[in-house]
Amino acid sequence: AQKVTQAQTEISVVEKEDVTLDCVYETRDTTYYLFWYKQPPSGELVFLIRRNSFDEQNEISGRYSWNFQKSTSSFNFTITASQVVDSAVYFCALSEPSSNDYKLSFGAGTTVTVRA
Amino acid sequence: DGGITQSPKYLFRKEGQNVTLSCEQNLNHDAMYWYRQDPGQGLRLIYYSQIVNDFQKGDIAEGYSVSREKKESFPLTVTSAQKNPTAFYLCASSSAAQETQYFGPGTRLLVL
Repeated sequence: AQKVTQAQTEISVVEKEDVTLDCVYETRDTTYYLFWYKQPPSGELVFLIRRNSFDEQNEISGRYSWNFQKSTSSFNFTITASQVVDSAVYFCALSEPSSNDYKLSFGAGTTVTVRA
Repeated sequence: DGGITQSPKYLFRKEGQNVTLSCEQNLNHDAMYWYRQDPGQGLRLIYYSQIVNDFQKGDIAEGYSVSREKKESFPLTVTSAQKNPTAFYLCASSSAAQETQYFGPGTRLLVL
């Protein structure tokens, strides 16, 4: 079963529009970690945020913000006033300590295209 | 500068050939990982290592082998037993289990 679902395959916006990426996860653990990574065309995954399951505070970093809601098992990501440099594939990922393999379970990714 | 390096950037494999992908980190991280990414998909774990001289299979280890003789290095060998090796391979490291994983630039493997 898919542990992380990113239902949006592709999103296209015009520069300066806001864009929200959805992430829904599934776990039986009470302690877990959620991540967002950005993969620009160069291919390298760039770490954006790590959130543990006990911290439901929303976070803002510049134009990026994250909304974590345990009640709906969602960890959504919003880019405000998008720019062309935001064009990339964005991955949501889950880490579960009980799995003992320390892997990240990735969603399939959402491709964001920002048009000038 | 601290970081993770992977080489080569592109690698071509002939049928029946074993090839080795390099991953080096100077972040003093204990844990290292290898992931495979296929087009339009997320990453899947091949192998991981928590400490030197120890490593464990991930979800898709068949056809791959690794070694961890040094803390800084975690090479991945794609053997001839891997029948569909064409993919983008990403190496990652973290200071410890459950800590944030940081990724290298990746190696794209193609079959001739």
